[in-house]
Amino acid sequence: GQNIDQPTEMTATEGAIVQINCTYQTSGFNGLFWYQQHAGEAPTFLSYNVLDGLEEKGRFSSFLSRSKGYSYLLLKELQMKDSASYLCAVRDRVTGGGNKLTFGTGTQLKVEL
Amino acid sequence: NAGVMQNPRHLVRRRGQEARLRCSPMKGHSHVYWYRQLPEEGLKFMVYLQKENIIDESGMPKERFSAEFPKEGPSILRIQQVVRGDSAAYFCASSPPSGATDTQYFGPGTRLTVL
Repeated sequence: GQNIDQPTEMTATEGAIVQINCTYQTSGFNGLFWYQQHAGEAPTFLSYNVLDGLEEKGRFSSFLSRSKGYSYLLLKELQMKDSASYLCAVRDRVTGGGNKLTFGTGTQLKVEL
Repeated sequence: NAGVMQNPRHLVRRRGQEARLRCSPMKGHSHVYWYRQLPEEGLKFMVYLQKENIIDESGMPKERFSAEFPKEGPSILRIQQVVRGDSAAYFCASSPPSGATDTQYFGPGTRLTVL
């Protein structure tokens, strides 16, 4: 089975930096994804890590350590529009190609003035 | 390039009725995934399909739920004899034929309300 843990809620100030952690336990690991989801909307792809290290994409960066079963999403220069739920998802290879995702419950980030 | 499309966006059914949810994947994508999101909960995998084949249905309830992805037309998630507990947002995602990344892109979801 799979187990994914991330904090339920976080609060940060506009312009600051916030780090959202995710730990996981899984078999057949084949990558970790971060998605952003605003209330009532679809998840939007943010980042993907399959090898150890840091992936940077503008204000967003994601880090992975496979040996520790750990990832984090780093958001810089926070803006009010970044208030959303951030979903950590682990991909598990299945027979026949394609890969199903197992999601954490999401971290609700609130950005304040 | 149109994204993943789902319809209807909102669906209201009375207990015992049938619900049909449709998903058209992104152009060039041959893999379709269905997820369910209950209020205040995370996304839960339901089923993974390719054209005319169910690859993994380990997340599907054993009764009342079925899914298909025919050769022509959208993927359909069908819920028979709906109950109040089926009320949720149902998201479809698609990905291209197997590749290095296989990122899944999500549709806007169908919000099912069972009265």
